[in-house]
This record gives sequence, C-alpha cells and structure tokens, in this order.
Amino acid sequence: KQEVTQIPAALSVPEGENLVLNCSFTDSAIYNLQWFRQDPGKGLTSLLLIQSSQREQTSGRLNASLDKSSGRSTLYIAASQPGDSATYLCAGRSYNTDKLIFGTGTRLQVFP
Amino acid sequence: GAGVSQSPSNKVTEKGKDVELRCDPISGHTALYWYRQRLGQGLEFLIYFQGNSAPDKSGLPSDRFSAERTGESVSTLTIQRTQQEDSAVYLCASSLRTGGWNQPQHFGDGTRLSIL
Repeated sequence: KQEVTQIPAALSVPEGENLVLNCSFTDSAIYNLQWFRQDPGKGLTSLLLIQSSQREQTSGRLNASLDKSSGRSTLYIAASQPGDSATYLCAGRSYNTDKLIFGTGTRLQVFP
Repeated sequence: GAGVSQSPSNKVTEKGKDVELRCDPISGHTALYWYRQRLGQGLEFLIYFQGNSAPDKSGLPSDRFSAERTGESVSTLTIQRTQQEDSAVYLCASSLRTGGWNQPQHFGDGTRLSIL
C-alpha cells in the first residue's frame, strides 16, 4: 500500500532563498508523481508531473526530481518570492490504479 | 469554462440531511475523480470515473456515499443522512485519458461542507 510523507510540515524563509521540499513514498512501483500547490480556500494547482521513466522536470523556477530506488522526490524552488507562499502537496500514482495518494503537504511562507 | 467547476462552493446543513455536490470537468476530459480533504488531514481518494463508469469506488467511506456521472461530463456526489464527520472540503479533478496514465489531474476549488 502506497504511503506518501512530506517533510518539513512547515517552512518559513526570507524572499530570495532557494529551497527544497521533500516527498517520500513507500511503494517504488510508482507510475508517476505530481506536485501541486494549494492556496488557502482554493483547490489544487498542478505544478509538475514526473513520469516513472524520468528523473526530473522543470518549469520556470521550479524543478522536481524523482528517485524511485530511494522512494524520494524533491521540489526545488529557486529565488523564492512571497507569491510562492502556499501549501505544496506531492501525490503518487502506482501502476494499475488511477487514484493519487497524497502527502499531507508542506506549508511554505516566504516573507519579504 | 476553462477549468474544473464545482458547486456549491460552500454548503452548511444539519446532521441527517442529504446533500448533493456537483462537478463540471474540463471539456473533453474522460476521467473524473472525487477526493475529500478533512481539516488537518491529507486528501483522500473517494471514487474515479472513466466515462460514465466507475471502475474504482474503493474510497467511498460508507454506503451513505454515492456518485454518478452522466453524458461523460457532469458528476454528482451524494451524501445521505449526513454526519458531523462528513464535514470536509470535497474536491473534484479531471484528466485527459488517452490510453496512458501520464496525464495530470486538474482540480476544482472544491465544495466546503459543514455539518451542524
């Protein structure tokens, strides 16, 4: 059974810092992993999707990596901005299933 | 619309009442998902539709919960005889399923359900 864990639960950094959010999963038979951001009172915005055959994906200041052998994914945010403040969720999809298993998220605050 | 639309955005009801939550997926998306997010907890999968069929209902917590989808479009999640533990944000997502499973899921803003 897939379980997803995110560390840290909360993070507060000054504007301009580069930061790394961590996601661990227990089932290495993962088909893909998706990173989302959730703003208060809002739904989820898809940031990046990494397929099992890929090692990383990049979008602007965001870079996500996937290491199936160690059961880890990281989301790297470069030059953080106050607008990056949100909860970041990772979710894994295993083979032969369509549902996503979510971590509990990392609540990020970037202060000016 | 361009995104997944859910209604109502907020619903407050008394314990024991039935509620219906609606989801309009992105046009052309054949896959539709329902998740639940309770306060302080992660998102829990409820049910998945491919077209109008639900091949995976494994997340529905009890027989008070049901869902349907018609016209390979709109879906309704129904909760009968609501209980206080049903209070949560109910999120709907859709994806373009073209035979592979590497399509991202796109989420609506959710329905915040409060049971008094």
